[in-house]
Amino acid sequence: QLQESGPGLVRPSETLSLICTVSGGSISSSSYYWGWIRQPPGKRLEWIGSIYYTGRTNLHPSLKSRVTISVDTFKSQFSLKLTSVTAADTAVYYCARDMKHIVASDAFDIWGQGTMVTVSS
Amino acid sequence: DIVMTQSPDSLAVSLGERATISCKSSQSVLYSSNNKNYLAWYQQKPGRPPKLLILWASTRESGVPDRFSGSGSGTDFTLTISSLQAEDVAVYYCQQYYSAPCSFGQGTKLEIK
Repeated sequence: QLQESGPGLVRPSETLSLICTVSGGSISSSSYYWGWIRQPPGKRLEWIGSIYYTGRTNLHPSLKSRVTISVDTFKSQFSLKLTSVTAADTAVYYCARDMKHIVASDAFDIWGQGTMVTVSS
Repeated sequence: DIVMTQSPDSLAVSLGERATISCKSSQSVLYSSNNKNYLAWYQQKPGRPPKLLILWASTRESGVPDRFSGSGSGTDFTLTISSLQAEDVAVYYCQQYYSAPCSFGQGTKLEIK
Protein backbone atom coordinates (compact mmCIF):
# COMPACT_ATOMS: atom_id res chain seq x y z
CA GLN A 1 0.00 0.00 0.00
CA LEU A 2 0.98 3.60 -0.55
CA GLN A 3 -0.20 6.59 1.44
CA GLU A 4 0.42 10.26 0.71
CA SER A 5 0.71 12.85 3.46
CA GLY A 6 1.34 16.56 3.58
CA PRO A 7 -0.31 19.98 3.73
CA GLY A 8 -3.49 20.50 1.76
CA LEU A 9 -2.87 24.22 1.31
CA VAL A 10 0.29 25.91 0.08
CA ARG A 11 0.84 29.62 -0.46
CA PRO A 12 1.88 30.86 -3.90
CA SER A 13 5.66 31.02 -4.40
CA GLU A 14 6.24 28.58 -1.54
CA THR A 15 7.30 24.93 -1.64
CA LEU A 16 4.91 22.02 -1.82
CA SER A 17 6.15 19.03 0.19
CA LEU A 18 4.59 15.58 0.22
CA ILE A 19 5.62 12.21 1.59
CA CYS A 20 4.56 8.78 0.41
CA THR A 21 4.81 5.89 2.85
CA VAL A 22 5.15 2.42 1.39
CA SER A 23 3.82 -0.55 3.35
CA GLY A 24 3.29 -4.23 2.65
CA GLY A 25 6.32 -4.46 0.40
CA SER A 26 9.92 -3.31 0.17
CA ILE A 27 10.75 0.12 -1.18
CA SER A 28 14.16 -1.37 -1.92
CA SER A 29 12.79 -3.85 -4.47
CA SER A 30 14.98 -4.04 -7.54
CA SER A 31 11.91 -4.28 -9.79
CA TYR A 32 10.34 -0.93 -9.14
CA TYR A 33 10.74 2.78 -9.16
CA TRP A 34 8.41 4.98 -7.09
CA GLY A 35 6.58 7.79 -8.78
CA TRP A 36 4.57 10.95 -8.34
CA ILE A 37 1.66 11.77 -10.63
CA ARG A 38 -0.74 14.69 -10.35
CA GLN A 39 -4.19 15.49 -11.68
CA PRO A 40 -5.32 19.13 -11.80
CA PRO A 41 -9.10 19.55 -11.44
CA GLY A 42 -10.80 18.48 -14.66
CA LYS A 43 -7.50 17.77 -16.42
CA ARG A 44 -5.51 14.74 -17.41
CA LEU A 45 -3.01 12.87 -15.29
CA GLU A 46 0.54 14.21 -15.45
CA TRP A 47 3.64 12.26 -14.46
CA ILE A 48 5.97 14.34 -12.31
CA GLY A 49 8.88 12.00 -11.74
CA SER A 50 10.07 8.70 -10.32
CA ILE A 51 12.85 7.52 -8.03
CA TYR A 52 14.72 4.25 -7.52
CA TYR A 53 15.67 3.11 -4.03
CA THR A 54 19.28 4.01 -4.80
CA GLY A 55 18.23 7.63 -5.23
CA ARG A 56 18.36 7.70 -9.02
CA THR A 57 15.59 9.91 -10.38
CA ASN A 58 13.80 10.54 -13.66
CA LEU A 59 11.88 13.80 -13.84
CA HIS A 60 9.41 15.36 -16.25
CA PRO A 61 11.39 17.90 -18.29
CA SER A 62 8.75 20.60 -17.86
CA LEU A 63 8.96 20.38 -14.07
CA LYS A 64 12.57 19.38 -13.63
CA SER A 65 13.78 22.82 -12.55
CA ARG A 66 11.30 22.93 -9.65
CA VAL A 67 11.10 19.29 -8.54
CA THR A 68 13.11 17.26 -6.08
CA ILE A 69 12.26 13.64 -5.33
CA SER A 70 14.12 11.82 -2.59
CA VAL A 71 13.91 8.45 -0.86
CA ASP A 72 14.41 7.25 2.72
CA THR A 73 14.66 3.48 2.63
CA PHE A 74 14.88 3.17 6.41
CA LYS A 75 11.50 4.85 6.81
CA SER A 76 10.14 3.21 3.63
CA GLN A 77 9.20 6.64 2.33
CA PHE A 78 9.82 8.80 -0.69
CA SER A 79 9.07 12.48 -0.96
CA LEU A 80 8.24 15.23 -3.41
CA LYS A 81 9.24 18.86 -3.21
CA LEU A 82 7.91 21.35 -5.75
CA THR A 83 9.21 24.89 -5.44
CA SER A 84 7.77 28.25 -6.46
CA VAL A 85 4.22 26.95 -6.73
CA THR A 86 1.41 28.79 -8.47
CA ALA A 87 -2.31 28.14 -8.84
CA ALA A 88 -1.47 25.91 -11.82
CA ASP A 89 0.07 23.43 -9.36
CA THR A 90 -3.29 22.89 -7.64
CA ALA A 91 -4.04 19.21 -8.12
CA VAL A 92 -4.61 15.83 -6.57
CA TYR A 93 -1.14 14.38 -6.06
CA TYR A 94 -0.73 10.62 -6.24
CA CYS A 95 2.21 8.45 -5.37
CA ALA A 96 2.43 5.17 -7.24
CA ARG A 97 4.61 2.13 -7.80
CA ASP A 98 6.40 2.48 -11.11
CA MET A 99 6.97 -0.77 -13.00
CA LYS A 100 10.02 0.66 -14.72
CA HIS A 101 12.25 -2.39 -14.39
CA ILE A 102 9.44 -4.74 -15.41
CA VAL A 103 8.12 -2.96 -18.48
CA ALA A 104 11.30 -0.99 -19.21
CA SER A 105 9.40 2.27 -18.85
CA ASP A 106 6.97 4.11 -16.61
CA ALA A 107 3.64 2.40 -15.96
CA PHE A 108 1.97 2.35 -12.57
CA ASP A 109 0.38 -0.69 -10.96
CA ILE A 110 -0.29 0.42 -7.38
CA TRP A 111 -1.48 3.90 -6.43
CA GLY A 112 -2.00 5.80 -3.23
CA GLN A 113 -5.39 7.32 -2.52
CA GLY A 114 -4.19 10.75 -3.54
CA THR A 115 -4.06 14.02 -1.66
CA MET A 116 -5.55 17.32 -2.80
CA VAL A 117 -3.15 20.24 -2.68
CA THR A 118 -4.50 23.73 -3.24
CA VAL A 119 -2.22 26.65 -3.98
CA SER A 120 -3.85 29.80 -2.67
CA SER A 121 -3.13 32.79 -0.50
CA ASP B 1 6.50 14.47 -26.18
CA ILE B 2 3.86 12.00 -27.32
CA VAL B 3 0.31 13.35 -27.15
CA MET B 4 -2.48 10.91 -26.37
CA THR B 5 -5.98 11.71 -27.61
CA GLN B 6 -9.05 9.75 -26.58
CA SER B 7 -12.50 9.67 -28.11
CA PRO B 8 -15.20 10.21 -27.21
CA ASP B 9 -14.83 12.45 -24.16
CA SER B 10 -17.95 10.85 -22.71
CA LEU B 11 -20.03 7.83 -23.54
CA ALA B 12 -23.37 6.48 -22.32
CA VAL B 13 -24.08 2.80 -22.85
CA SER B 14 -26.92 0.57 -21.71
CA LEU B 15 -26.27 -2.19 -19.21
CA GLY B 16 -25.20 -5.37 -20.97
CA GLU B 17 -24.21 -3.52 -24.13
CA ARG B 18 -20.74 -3.03 -25.60
CA ALA B 19 -18.67 0.05 -24.81
CA THR B 20 -15.77 1.08 -27.02
CA ILE B 21 -13.20 3.75 -26.26
CA SER B 22 -10.56 4.94 -28.71
CA CYS B 23 -7.05 6.19 -28.00
CA LYS B 24 -4.66 7.65 -30.57
CA SER B 25 -1.03 8.54 -30.04
CA SER B 26 0.78 11.31 -31.91
CA GLN B 27 3.51 8.85 -32.84
CA SER B 28 3.83 5.09 -32.86
CA VAL B 29 4.26 3.37 -29.49
CA LEU B 30 5.18 0.05 -31.11
CA TYR B 31 8.73 -0.97 -30.28
CA SER B 32 9.95 -2.85 -33.33
CA SER B 33 12.63 -4.88 -31.56
CA ASN B 34 10.12 -6.78 -29.42
CA ASN B 35 6.90 -6.05 -31.35
CA LYS B 36 5.23 -4.70 -28.23
CA ASN B 37 2.96 -1.69 -27.96
CA TYR B 38 3.83 0.40 -24.92
CA LEU B 39 0.23 1.32 -24.14
CA ALA B 40 -1.70 0.95 -20.88
CA TRP B 41 -5.33 1.47 -19.88
CA TYR B 42 -6.52 2.63 -16.47
CA GLN B 43 -9.93 2.85 -14.83
CA GLN B 44 -10.69 5.62 -12.33
CA LYS B 45 -13.87 5.50 -10.30
CA PRO B 46 -15.11 8.64 -8.54
CA GLY B 47 -12.98 9.54 -5.54
CA ARG B 48 -10.59 6.67 -6.19
CA PRO B 49 -7.09 6.46 -7.67
CA PRO B 50 -6.59 5.04 -11.14
CA LYS B 51 -6.48 1.26 -11.42
CA LEU B 52 -4.26 -0.43 -13.98
CA LEU B 53 -6.36 -2.61 -16.27
CA ILE B 54 -4.23 -3.45 -19.29
CA LEU B 55 -0.54 -3.36 -20.28
CA TRP B 56 1.06 -3.88 -23.67
CA ALA B 57 -2.19 -2.70 -25.28
CA SER B 58 -3.92 -6.03 -24.73
CA THR B 59 -2.63 -7.85 -21.63
CA ARG B 60 -5.10 -7.75 -18.77
CA GLU B 61 -3.75 -7.34 -15.28
CA SER B 62 -4.48 -10.12 -12.81
CA GLY B 63 -8.05 -9.93 -11.50
CA VAL B 64 -9.40 -7.74 -14.29
CA PRO B 65 -12.64 -9.24 -15.65
CA ASP B 66 -12.41 -10.71 -19.13
CA ARG B 67 -15.16 -8.41 -20.38
CA PHE B 68 -12.36 -5.82 -20.62
CA SER B 69 -10.18 -6.16 -23.69
CA GLY B 70 -7.61 -4.01 -25.41
CA SER B 71 -6.60 -3.98 -29.03
CA GLY B 72 -4.73 -1.98 -31.62
CA SER B 73 -1.16 -1.28 -32.66
CA GLY B 74 1.09 1.58 -33.63
CA THR B 75 -0.94 4.72 -33.06
CA ASP B 76 -4.54 3.48 -32.78
CA PHE B 77 -5.91 1.59 -29.82
CA THR B 78 -9.26 0.52 -28.44
CA LEU B 79 -10.57 -0.48 -25.04
CA THR B 80 -13.71 -2.59 -25.25
CA ILE B 81 -16.06 -3.59 -22.47
CA SER B 82 -18.08 -6.42 -23.96
CA SER B 83 -21.07 -6.28 -21.63
CA LEU B 84 -21.31 -3.17 -19.51
CA GLN B 85 -21.90 -3.66 -15.80
CA ALA B 86 -22.98 -0.99 -13.33
CA GLU B 87 -19.61 -1.15 -11.58
CA ASP B 88 -17.85 -0.18 -14.82
CA VAL B 89 -19.00 3.44 -14.52
CA ALA B 90 -15.72 5.33 -14.40
CA VAL B 91 -13.31 7.48 -16.33
CA TYR B 92 -10.91 5.52 -18.50
CA TYR B 93 -7.42 6.71 -19.43
CA CYS B 94 -4.88 5.44 -21.88
CA GLN B 95 -1.18 5.99 -21.23
CA GLN B 96 1.89 5.57 -23.40
CA TYR B 97 5.10 4.37 -21.80
CA TYR B 98 7.04 4.13 -25.04
CA SER B 99 9.08 7.24 -24.43
CA ALA B 100 9.79 9.61 -21.58
CA PRO B 101 7.99 11.54 -20.37
CA CYS B 102 5.14 9.04 -20.24
CA SER B 103 1.80 10.67 -21.01
CA PHE B 104 -1.91 10.09 -20.50
CA GLY B 105 -5.00 10.70 -22.57
CA GLN B 106 -7.56 13.23 -21.43
CA GLY B 107 -9.93 10.51 -20.25
CA THR B 108 -13.28 9.12 -21.38
CA LYS B 109 -16.18 9.24 -18.95
CA LEU B 110 -18.35 6.14 -19.21
CA GLU B 111 -21.90 6.28 -17.90
CA ILE B 112 -25.02 4.13 -17.95
CA LYS B 113 -27.69 5.07 -20.49
